Amino acid sequence: GNSVTQMEGPVTLSEEAFLTINCTYTATGYPSLFWYVQYPGEGLQLLLKATKADDKGSNKGFEATYRKETTSFHLEKGSVQVSDSAVYFCALSASSGPSGSARQLTFGSGTQLTVLP
Amino acid sequence: DTGVSQDPRHKITKRGQNVTFRCDPISEHNRLYWYRQTLGQGPEFLTYFQNEAQLEKSRLLSNRFSAERPKGSFSTLEIQRTEQGDSAMYLCASSPGQTPGYGYTFGSGTRLTVV
Repeated sequence: GNSVTQMEGPVTLSEEAFLTINCTYTATGYPSLFWYVQYPGEGLQLLLKATKADDKGSNKGFEATYRKETTSFHLEKGSVQVSDSAVYFCALSASSGPSGSARQLTFGSGTQLTVLP
Repeated sequence: DTGVSQDPRHKITKRGQNVTFRCDPISEHNRLYWYRQTLGQGPEFLTYFQNEAQLEKSRLLSNRFSAERPKGSFSTLEIQRTEQGDSAMYLCASSPGQTPGYGYTFGSGTRLTVV
């Protein structure tokens, strides 16, 4: 079946530090990959996505590259801010084939990031 | 229409009572999903609708759970005879299309506490 493994947290960084959160996946078919962010008391927000191998998703200074050879989708940011403190979830959506329709998302367990001023 | 709305935000109920949650998706989205998130874990899929048809159910969705989406608009999730293990955040999400590249828009969730 499909699964997502995320780097365990919590992760605590100083402002302007470099961030990496590792994510690897197992999937059948042709998965799309996502990073979601959840701020305290809020629902999940889509941060970035990539739909095929070697695609790079980016948003708000965050980046992740779809690496099919290593089945990875690591999240990076060059300089974190206090406002980036949140829980980050890696997820995949596996289609039923190259032209299949996406169904449910499979999530990792989340990584809590705290950025200190 | 600014997003996915869920009601109520919080629900505290006694064990054995029935509860019902409502989700209003983004109006042009034909796909609607329910997920459950327990503390410290990622969301887990419960069920999925395309328009009014319930197309998938997770094994997590026991026979005490039922979901509906009449007329393909809002959806309700009912839990009968609640148990303490049902305490969780229940998330609704909607999606516009079939291609894998679409992300899902999530609501803020309903936090259920069974006492």
